Amino acid sequence: AQSVTQPDARVTVSEGASLQLRCKYSYSATPYLFWYVQYPRQGLQLLLKYYSGDPVVQGVNGFEAEFSKSNSSFHLRKASVHWSDSAVYFCAVQGTGSKLSFGKGAKLTVSP
Amino acid sequence: NAGVIQTPRHKVTGKGQEATLWCEPISGHSAVFWYRQTIVQGLEFLTYFRNQAPIDDSGMPKERFSAQMPNQSHSTLKIQSTQPQDSAVYLCASGSTNSDYTFGSGTRLLVI
Repeated sequence: AQSVTQPDARVTVSEGASLQLRCKYSYSATPYLFWYVQYPRQGLQLLLKYYSGDPVVQGVNGFEAEFSKSNSSFHLRKASVHWSDSAVYFCAVQGTGSKLSFGKGAKLTVSP
Repeated sequence: NAGVIQTPRHKVTGKGQEATLWCEPISGHSAVFWYRQTIVQGLEFLTYFRNQAPIDDSGMPKERFSAQMPNQSHSTLKIQSTQPQDSAVYLCASGSTNSDYTFGSGTRLLVI
């Protein structure tokens, strides 16, 4: 079975500061990994994905994530956050089959 | 491309009534997924179809919930005898082998 843990349910950072949101996955093989963002009353939007190759993947709006097989992790990073980045961020894993298993999400608040 | 369209956006039903939720996938996408989102449980997989055929319904509650995909242009999720614990945001997503999953904005169901 596949699963995802996001240990930080709420994160507050100052505008312009760097960000890291942590994600740990559980899956026996190398999975497909995703980060999604959800703004209030909207669906999920894909930020970036990892299938194989370079462990650092670039996404939209300056986000990137690094896959680590040894740590079973896929942490999301951004060098400088903007107030518009305030949202809920979900890490997801796709293992066997096509369904996604999501973490509980991390609510990011960017303070002025 | 209007994206994945879910209707209605909001639905209020009385306890014991039936609720039908609609999803129109992106044209050309062969897979349709249904997820349920609550504060407590987070994002839960319910079921998915590929080329209109049911592939995995392992997340569907065994009673009262059913899903169909009668044609490639829409899928429905039906909840019979709704209960307050069914209150949630129901998200539909579509995708294909050569594209990422796209989520709709969801249907917010409230059972009173």
